[in-house]
Amino acid sequence: KNQVEQSPQSLIILEGKNCTLQCNYTVSPFSNLRWYKQDTGRGPVSLTIMTFSENTKSNGRYTATLDADTKQSSLHITASQLSDSASYICVVSGGSWGKFQFGAGTQVVVTP
Amino acid sequence: DTGVSQDPRHKITKRGQNVTFRCDPISEHNRLYWYRQTLGQGPEFLTYFQNEAQLEKSRLLSDRFSAERPKGSFSTLEIQRTEQGDSAMYLCASSWGPDTGYTFGSGTRLTVV
Repeated sequence: KNQVEQSPQSLIILEGKNCTLQCNYTVSPFSNLRWYKQDTGRGPVSLTIMTFSENTKSNGRYTATLDADTKQSSLHITASQLSDSASYICVVSGGSWGKFQFGAGTQVVVTP
Repeated sequence: DTGVSQDPRHKITKRGQNVTFRCDPISEHNRLYWYRQTLGQGPEFLTYFQNEAQLEKSRLLSDRFSAERPKGSFSTLEIQRTEQGDSAMYLCASSWGPDTGYTFGSGTRLTVV
């Protein structure tokens, strides 16, 4: 069973609207959680990274939250733009060498 | 360019042929990772190097797959006797330490026909 579960699997939103993506994990021990944006045919690009003690972190219109007690994270996209269309992947790090566990990603499509 | 470079970007090969991909990590990074990603899925871990030592290999890495990082800098991933199921994006990433910046390359898209 995947230790990082993302929801929804995909979503379509209108340009200018907000959306929130979810990530639940069971990885233990926990080191940090990252959100990546992956455009089609490209490698993932880091958006945010949060450690155990951080609850929220922003990167422009992207805001990530982390609840280490419930092992949940969210990524909020504000005022979506067409360029936000991509897959958003949640990655949780833990273990002796920082082994990364990947979620399957949420495919976001922003329409005009 | 200070990012992670992968070559080639695309590779089309006939079933049964051997292919080799190259990854040049960020020069200061001592850790290098290979992942495989199929359409609609997140990356799956293949193998991990710390300097030139290959410290872990996934069971996904069958005996047809081999990876090297001979001088602790660039790495190669070779697939022998390719099968159609090997068609995927092969991603390389590098980092300095387990909890620091983890940078991906743009990947090599392999198509086995």
